[in-house]
Amino acid sequence: NAGVTQTPKFQVLKTGQSMTLQCAQDMNHEYMSWYRQDPGMGLRLIHYSVGAGITDQGEVPNGYNVSRSTTEDFPLRLLSAAPSQTSVYFCASSYEGGRGETQYFGPGTRLLVL
Amino acid sequence: TQLLEQSPQFLSIQEGENLTVYCNSSSVFSSLQWYRQEPGEGPVLLVTVVTGGEVKKLKRLTFQFGDARKDSSLHITAAQPGDTGLYLCAGAKGSTLGRLYFGRGTQLTVWP
Repeated sequence: NAGVTQTPKFQVLKTGQSMTLQCAQDMNHEYMSWYRQDPGMGLRLIHYSVGAGITDQGEVPNGYNVSRSTTEDFPLRLLSAAPSQTSVYFCASSYEGGRGETQYFGPGTRLLVL
Repeated sequence: TQLLEQSPQFLSIQEGENLTVYCNSSSVFSSLQWYRQEPGEGPVLLVTVVTGGEVKKLKRLTFQFGDARKDSSLHITAAQPGDTGLYLCAGAKGSTLGRLYFGRGTQLTVWP
């Protein structure tokens, strides 16, 4: 199993550009999430999904779109990048296994918006 | 507003010392998890606690879930430089499946 994979690993954008951060998991997990991590802020939830076709907003959804057409994939779209979106983005997948929910994280995408 | 308050934010200690990290909330959680994150990598799960009052041990790490399931602590005995990293607590609520609430993390540095 590859687990959770994210592409690209690094990206530099200019203000106003759009891009899609890719996330895929091969563990057949129902739940997937996108977080951003900034210094001193921990992990902040952007959007999450409890299954194909179902998404919901987290704490900081503005400026980001998601869709979940398959169980495996959960792309995150930046519509018009802003410098405030410079961050490290983590995708995670999880399941409820009866002993609480365990999230498995990808390696992250480091995004710089100029 | 942070649902889970973690303290301290930074901890710098010498090898061999003991330490405790706290994770507190006014909300009840169905489970609480501790993750550790190394620089340049994603968080990795250390432990999940589910039952109020539960204590779990992982070598030199001891995790406790509060009786009321609102708080948790992580205690490290005889810390080693390899324990250096960012420790994150995260809570799950049964009413919002698929969503975890993370604390801001504790950056631990253990000096040789």
